[in-house]
Amino acid sequence: NAGVTQTPKFQVLKTGQSMTLQCAQDMNHEYMSWYRQDPGMGLRLIHYSVGAGITDQGEVPNGYNVSRSTTEDFPLRLLSAAPSQTSVYFCASRGQGGSITLHFGNGTRLTVT
Amino acid sequence: AQSVTQLDSHVSVSEGTPVLLRCNYSSSYSPSLFWYVQHPNKGLQLLLKYTSAATLVKGINGFEAEFKKSETSFHLTKPSAHMSDAAEYFCVVSEGGTYKYIFGTGTRLKVLA
Repeated sequence: NAGVTQTPKFQVLKTGQSMTLQCAQDMNHEYMSWYRQDPGMGLRLIHYSVGAGITDQGEVPNGYNVSRSTTEDFPLRLLSAAPSQTSVYFCASRGQGGSITLHFGNGTRLTVT
Repeated sequence: AQSVTQLDSHVSVSEGTPVLLRCNYSSSYSPSLFWYVQHPNKGLQLLLKYTSAATLVKGINGFEAEFKKSETSFHLTKPSAHMSDAAEYFCVVSEGGTYKYIFGTGTRLKVLA
């Protein structure tokens, strides 16, 4: 089972560039989410989705866009990268109903110079 | 409002000695509580979870945690540390029926030979 797959693993951007972080899951999970991890701050929620066509903001949404056209994919777009967006990004998904465990991808390490 | 506090940012133990990672939480409703482990350059892996069943929860790799409502704690323990336990550990709280997860800031466990 692939689980949650994130690409790329590493990325370096210049300030002002845009890019898309990819996330795909093969578990038919309705809920998908994006977190950023910064030293000493735990994980903070950027955006989430409870199903295809439905997205909502998390704790730190500014500078990021998402869309959910299929159940499997939940890409995160950086519109104009800033050094403050240097971080490790994790995608997570979970099933519906009583299944409450978050399943994580291996992360994307992004550096903005 | 939910919150979670991991009381130690770093813990060092000798191989073969007990491990204690401390977590206190705050929740208005019946919480679900999780411990995740993150090895270097990896995603987060579920160690164990509490969802209002037995208060002593056993997880993978010999870890366990006890839910103590009166103390609002969910400390993670292991009787004997292995070198492979060196990683970062996150305590997470979620309120039942919601998609909201609050992460602690993490505890980095170092295991000394």
